Amino acid sequence: NAGVTQTPKFRILKIGQSMTLQCAQDMNHNYMYWYRQDPGMGLKLIYYSVGAGITDKGEVPNGYNVSRSTTEDFPLRLELAAPSQTSVYFCASSESGEQYFGPGTRLTVT
Amino acid sequence: EDQVTQSPEALRLQEGESSSLNCSYTVSGLRGLFWYRQDPGKGPEFLFTLYSAGEEKEKERLKATLTKKESFLHITAPKPEDSATYLCAVAGRGGGSNYKLTFGKGTLLTVNP
Repeated sequence: NAGVTQTPKFRILKIGQSMTLQCAQDMNHNYMYWYRQDPGMGLKLIYYSVGAGITDKGEVPNGYNVSRSTTEDFPLRLELAAPSQTSVYFCASSESGEQYFGPGTRLTVT
Repeated sequence: EDQVTQSPEALRLQEGESSSLNCSYTVSGLRGLFWYRQDPGKGPEFLFTLYSAGEEKEKERLKATLTKKESFLHITAPKPEDSATYLCAVAGRGGGSNYKLTFGKGTLLTVNP
């Protein structure tokens, strides 16, 4: 089992560009999550999904979009990147209770 | 709104010097309290889940305990490899079948040889 995988590991975007952060899990988990982690701020929930075709907003959804067409994949879309979206992004999955995290994507918007 | 406060923000220990990390929480109906370890440049790694007051769980040099208002992560005779940021998170009953976690800001633990 690879667990939760994320690509890319690093990315630099210019202001106004768009990109998709990829997340995949091979544990057949129904629940998947996207977080951002900023220095000194803790993990903040962006979006989550309770199953294929079902997504909902978390605490900080503005500027992001998600889709969940399969159980395995949960991509996060950034439209019109802004400097405030510079952060480390983590994807996680769970079946019940504890969440298992991917290695993260470090994104810089300049 | 669920809230989690961790203290101290940073803790520096000598190898073998036992101590505790604190996680205070407010939540509307606790479904679970979770401890994670995070190494620099990596994703959080799951350690423990605690479900009710009085529960304790152990793993190697780590022991997590839970009361109705707080949780402690006790570290006994730590080694330099225990150096990491330790995160606490809670899931309240407002999330339905889904465990939406609210995280604290973490405690950065450094263990010197």
